[in-house]
Amino acid sequence: GQQLNQSPQSMFIQEGEDVSMNCTSSSIFNTWLWYKQDPGEGPVLLIALYKAGELTSNGRLTAQFGITRKDSFLNISASIPSDVGIYFCAGLTPLVFGKGTRLSVIA
Amino acid sequence: EAGVTQSPTHLIKTRGQQATLRCSPISGHTSVYWYQQALGLGLQFLLWYDEGEERNRGNFPPRFSGRQFPNYSSELNVNALELEDSALYLCASSLGGQITEAFFGQGTRLTVV
Repeated sequence: GQQLNQSPQSMFIQEGEDVSMNCTSSSIFNTWLWYKQDPGEGPVLLIALYKAGELTSNGRLTAQFGITRKDSFLNISASIPSDVGIYFCAGLTPLVFGKGTRLSVIA
Repeated sequence: EAGVTQSPTHLIKTRGQQATLRCSPISGHTSVYWYQQALGLGLQFLLWYDEGEERNRGNFPPRFSGRQFPNYSSELNVNALELEDSALYLCASSLGGQITEAFFGQGTRLTVV
């Protein structure tokens, strides 16, 4: 089946630093989605990308849909403690997920 | 507008029993996805329903099954429960098609003892 390769698996950063994570796929997707999940809760949609090459921002978050439609990255600028959680990339259709990036922010 | 709702929030069953989990999608959404998330791990794809039909199935044994009703709500059934079925089960819904967003419910925490 389709799989997404998400990296890094985990990150430990200082508060205020920028963060970058990415996803690659062997398949083409028409939509890329980025989610954040807090412990014991459902993932929350952060950013949706619909066009190859599209760059979209949501506050301190910026994500891009790769030109080949097989990759995407998410950047978080000036990280804060509440950014802690697991970040997942996903491609549609069907809704396939990466294994997640666990972000820890050290105050 | 209500988001994706899942019930029950928590479910405790004994090994060998059956569990039924329910998901109500966002109004107007026709696609429902089910995932299993064991503690600390990623989302494992279980099932995808769209317009009442099963469109895709993950690499899970047949004792994991489900259905989608005419109102697009969905059920996930797990028969002959095993201890390793203990996990957070998540449901997501989206509009049909490939250019859309998908939103998750809060999940059902299934514990098998």
